[in-house]
Amino acid sequence: GAVVSQHPSRVICKSGTSVKIECRSLDFQATTMFWYRQFPKQSLMLMATSNEGSKATYEQGVEKDKFLINHASLTLSTLTVTSAHPEDSSFYICSARAGGGSSYNEQFFGPGTRLTVL
Amino acid sequence: GENVEQHPSTLSVQEGDSAVIKCTYSDSASNYFPWYKQELGKGPQLIIDIRSNVGEKKDQRIAVTLNKTAKHFSLHITETQPEDSAVYFCAASKDGYGGATNKLIFGTGTLLAVQP
Repeated sequence: GAVVSQHPSRVICKSGTSVKIECRSLDFQATTMFWYRQFPKQSLMLMATSNEGSKATYEQGVEKDKFLINHASLTLSTLTVTSAHPEDSSFYICSARAGGGSSYNEQFFGPGTRLTVL
Repeated sequence: GENVEQHPSTLSVQEGDSAVIKCTYSDSASNYFPWYKQELGKGPQLIIDIRSNVGEKKDQRIAVTLNKTAKHFSLHITETQPEDSAVYFCAASKDGYGGATNKLIFGTGTLLAVQP
């Protein structure tokens, strides 16, 4: 159980275009979803936290107008990179967390999306 | 805010040897400490976690120890195998019952290479 999927797994786009990445919890309801960015040989950096039905909370330094997050249901969150530029090229990873119980804080990670902006 | 340091950054061991990765955290209120294994091009996978009311937890070849006084926690892998080769991340967070959204703060990662 506790499977999180991401789509697409990799995407290549031209500079100036927008890209949408989907994150789905397949077998549980995720009250909270997180979006991370990971550059090569670096750690995961939290970009934003989203709760179903409410606005996302962005980390300091992350532009909310550039990285649009929507958590429309308990099983789906989307990250849209608007007007992408080469410096946005990175590995984007989502995670999902169910609420309550002894595993309250456990996050289940998706397989990641490799974004390359030309 | 919370800061998590992780050492070493790279670790090479012979197959069958043990590997130990250490992390320290700064926020004494942190009470949840997971360890993740990340293979190249994939998302992190939880391999073991520990909460602050426990000093040690073991799952087959993997164990985690926690020293709350010193704010240290460590991952121990025994009888290492080539398939254990990956990047390992520690993390820390504050458990938030009652609806609080608690962030995982990650360490910098350890590249473990198990030589056959």
